[in-house]
Amino acid sequence: DGGITQSPKYLFRKEGQNVTLSCEQNLNHDAMYWYRQDPGQGLRLIYYSQIVNDFQKGDIAEGYSVSREKKESFPLTVTSAQKNPTAFYLCASTVQGPNQPQHFGDGTRLSIL
Amino acid sequence: KQEVTQIPAALSVPEGENLVLNCSFTDSAIYNLQWFRQDPGKGLTSLLLIQSSQREQTSGRLNASLDKSSGRSTLYIAASQPGDSATYLCAVSPTNNAGNMLTFGGGTRLMVKP
Repeated sequence: DGGITQSPKYLFRKEGQNVTLSCEQNLNHDAMYWYRQDPGQGLRLIYYSQIVNDFQKGDIAEGYSVSREKKESFPLTVTSAQKNPTAFYLCASTVQGPNQPQHFGDGTRLSIL
Repeated sequence: KQEVTQIPAALSVPEGENLVLNCSFTDSAIYNLQWFRQDPGKGLTSLLLIQSSQREQTSGRLNASLDKSSGRSTLYIAASQPGDSATYLCAVSPTNNAGNMLTFGGGTRLMVKP
């Protein structure tokens, strides 16, 4: 079945450590997105990519980095510069073009040790 | 800057009741509005997408309406069931948006009691 796979499901970060969250899709979607969700709140956009080797900052990009070397993959690195990384991280993808619904993975929950 | 608000934040109803969830947005220059469902600890599932030129969309027991000029949308759930218990989020895509980026509301947490 086609879909979006996020791994790991749970991740723990030590102080000063960078961690990378994986997002892989086999939907042949061009655009991919990373969102952060804090408890009881909506989603906020971190980064997005509309095409391989290109990505743009969202509303809360500070302390995060991404790469898009393959169409299927859009990993997110949470760097030590992100001082409050504890949150639920969601990856999404969509077909290019207007009025296309986004498809989401099941998320990664990141906590601080 | 676009702001999306969902009221109430939480709602508890008995099974079988018809209910309405509300979503409001501050900038009416939107391309579309989407309603999503989120189960605990899971990702989002797209329920309905209403284009800016449309007034409503229906899928099964769900009906979503859009009044762009007043900055409001409602999600109507008919004959609610315990399986409808989840968080419902609305999101808007602005007209100057080439990347299908979405601005989300905070969600309404719905509990349907048997």
